Amino acid sequence: GQQVMQIPQYQHVQEGEDFTTYCNSSTTLSNIQWYKQRPGGHPVFLIQLVKSGEVKKQKRLTFQFGEAKKNSSLHITATQTTDVGTYFCAGPGAGNNRKLIWGLGTSLAVNP
Amino acid sequence: EPEVTQTPSHQVTQMGQEVILRCVPISNHLYFYWYRQILGQKVEFLVSFYNNEISEKSEIFDDQFSVERPDGSNFTLKIRSTKLEDSAMYFCASSATLLAREQYFGPGTRLTVT
Repeated sequence: GQQVMQIPQYQHVQEGEDFTTYCNSSTTLSNIQWYKQRPGGHPVFLIQLVKSGEVKKQKRLTFQFGEAKKNSSLHITATQTTDVGTYFCAGPGAGNNRKLIWGLGTSLAVNP
Repeated sequence: EPEVTQTPSHQVTQMGQEVILRCVPISNHLYFYWYRQILGQKVEFLVSFYNNEISEKSEIFDDQFSVERPDGSNFTLKIRSTKLEDSAMYFCASSATLLAREQYFGPGTRLTVT
């Protein structure tokens, strides 16, 4: 069945270092969404990418959607302790937007 | 800012018992969802609901599960006969329309089945 894969599963960085998580779908996606879940919290929507090759920035976060619309990445420049959490990518189920297929997430730990 | 609310925050139940998890989606939203997340694992889609009927459900959402929108504000998930493996965090989410694809999540209900 349709799968969304994310790597790495865990990442430890020193504060100030950069961080990247990669997301790959087994199928072409109409859009991809990124969510952040703080420890003990609930997923919070960050952004949605729709167009092939799209790049969006939110302050230190840069999101990319691949040309083939099957992969995406989230890059954080100069991480801060507030960036700690798990970052999930999610894409709509094949043929409809009525469900989201989620990646396993990348858990980011930032050492001060 | 409008938010999705869920009650209770934590529910402990014995195996075989029925539980009802409650959610109040954002008031002008039309699409509602239930997800579950076993501790430390990924978020798993259970069911989506629109216009008073199920739009999509996953293979997890078997006959033990049901959803209902009993009135204009609440959205409930019922598990008829809980199993140990149902222990998880259950998140409700809502979205404004099918085209507004971002989903807004509630704080979750932690279900512990003993």
